[in-house]
Amino acid sequence: AQKITQTQPGMFVQEKEAVTLDCTYDTSDPSYGLFWYKQPSSGEMIFLIYQGSYDQQNATEGRYSLNFQKARKSANLVISASQLGDSAMYFCAMRVTDSGGSNYKLTFGKGTLLTVNP
Amino acid sequence: NAGVMQNPRHLVRRRGQEARLRCSPMKGHSHVYWYRQLPEEGLKFMVYLQKENIIDESGMPKERFSAEFPKEGPSILRIQQVVRGDSAAYFCASSPPRTGVNGELFFGEGSRLTVL
Repeated sequence: AQKITQTQPGMFVQEKEAVTLDCTYDTSDPSYGLFWYKQPSSGEMIFLIYQGSYDQQNATEGRYSLNFQKARKSANLVISASQLGDSAMYFCAMRVTDSGGSNYKLTFGKGTLLTVNP
Repeated sequence: NAGVMQNPRHLVRRRGQEARLRCSPMKGHSHVYWYRQLPEEGLKFMVYLQKENIIDESGMPKERFSAEFPKEGPSILRIQQVVRGDSAAYFCASSPPRTGVNGELFFGEGSRLTVL
């Protein structure tokens, strides 16, 4: 079974500083995808960044980068130059191809609540 | 707005009533997924549907919950005889056919059900 662990229930960061949100995962499948989503207080789920298990380089999207350490099974999200609008819940998620060839289910972690202080 | 549309955004029901949540996928998407988010939790998969077909309902509670995606119209998640434990945010997501492990799911804004 797949599992995502986010060990930080809450994180605080000063505006303009960088912050790392931790995510570890567990799967025996060699082919998987890792996602990060942002959920602001309004409740919608916003896709941030994706990393494939076979990707050679760490994914980056603007101020977001994913620190992918395959051997350690970690996929930490790094947000550079934090902004007040970054305050939100952040979820790490994983998708694998199961034994039946299906690959549509996302398994989510419990999330990390990030607060950016002015 | 060509995104995934869910309604209602907020729904209040008394115990024993029925709740119906609707989801219109993005244009061109024929696959719909429902996820549930309990308070203080991440999202959990409930059901995967294609037009007129339930592909995987392994995450659906065995009783009181049902989902459909008719040939015409939105997908509907139906909860009969709601109980307080059904209070949650229900998210719909859609994708085009043949989504691989790198395929992004596009989520709607969620429907928040409160059972009194």
